[in-house]
Amino acid sequence: GAGVSQSPSNKVTEKGKDVELRCDPISGHTALYWYRQSLGQGLEFLIYFQGNSAPDKSGLPSDRFSAERTGGSVSTLTIQRTQQEDSAVYLCASRDLLAGVPYEQYFGPGTRLTVT
Amino acid sequence: SQKIEQNSEALNIQEGKTATLTCNYTNYSPAYLQWYRQDPGRGPVFLLLIRENEKEKRKERLKVTFDTTLKQSLFHITASQPADSATYLCALDVYSGTYKYIFGTGTRLKVLA
Repeated sequence: GAGVSQSPSNKVTEKGKDVELRCDPISGHTALYWYRQSLGQGLEFLIYFQGNSAPDKSGLPSDRFSAERTGGSVSTLTIQRTQQEDSAVYLCASRDLLAGVPYEQYFGPGTRLTVT
Repeated sequence: SQKIEQNSEALNIQEGKTATLTCNYTNYSPAYLQWYRQDPGRGPVFLLLIRENEKEKRKERLKVTFDTTLKQSLFHITASQPADSATYLCALDVYSGTYKYIFGTGTRLKVLA
C-alpha cells in the first residue's frame, strides 16, 4: 500500500470493555512497531515484530495488552478490560530492514482511544 | 536509569531565524540517532539519521550534530518558515538484540511570521 494505515481512527469505549486496534503496514516491510502516545508525552514503545522471530513485548504495560501479527503483515493490538489510563493515541510503524535506508520508520496516523 | 530529554517547553522563533533543538540522553550508547517531525493528529515523519561516527549531517535547511561524548544531538533549521512549526522528536536506535527505538518527549516549535 501507499503507507501505513490504522483503524479505527478514533475509538471511544467504556471502562472494562475490550478493544482491538488494527495496523496495516507497508507491503513488504518486515518490522512492525506499536507505540503509545499520551497527551503531551513522547512515544512509548509497546511491542516490536520482526519477521518470524518472537516479538519483543518488553514495552507492554500490563498483561491486559497483547498483540498479534498474522502472516507477517497485518497486526492487531488488543487491550482487555480497558482502564481510563489507557486513553492515548496508539501509533503503528513499519520498517524495511532489507533495503535502502533500513532505519527509517514509517508511521500510521494513529488510533485515538478514549476510555470513559 | 536510561533517559532521553528534549526541551520540554515550546520554542518560539521569528521567521528567517535558525531554530536549534536539543536532545540529551543518559546511559545509552546509541549506534545512531534520528529526528522526526510530528504534526498535530498525525504520526511522526522521519527527517534525518546520524550515526555515532558522524559529527554532522545536513539535508536542505536541516542540520543535525551528534556528540557522543556530551551525549547530545542538536537539530538546526535554518531560514525557518511558519510551515516548520511542528513537534520534533529525537529517537535512539538502540540495538539490544532487537532494533528498538527510544523516543524523546519532543519539542514543539512555533515559527512566527
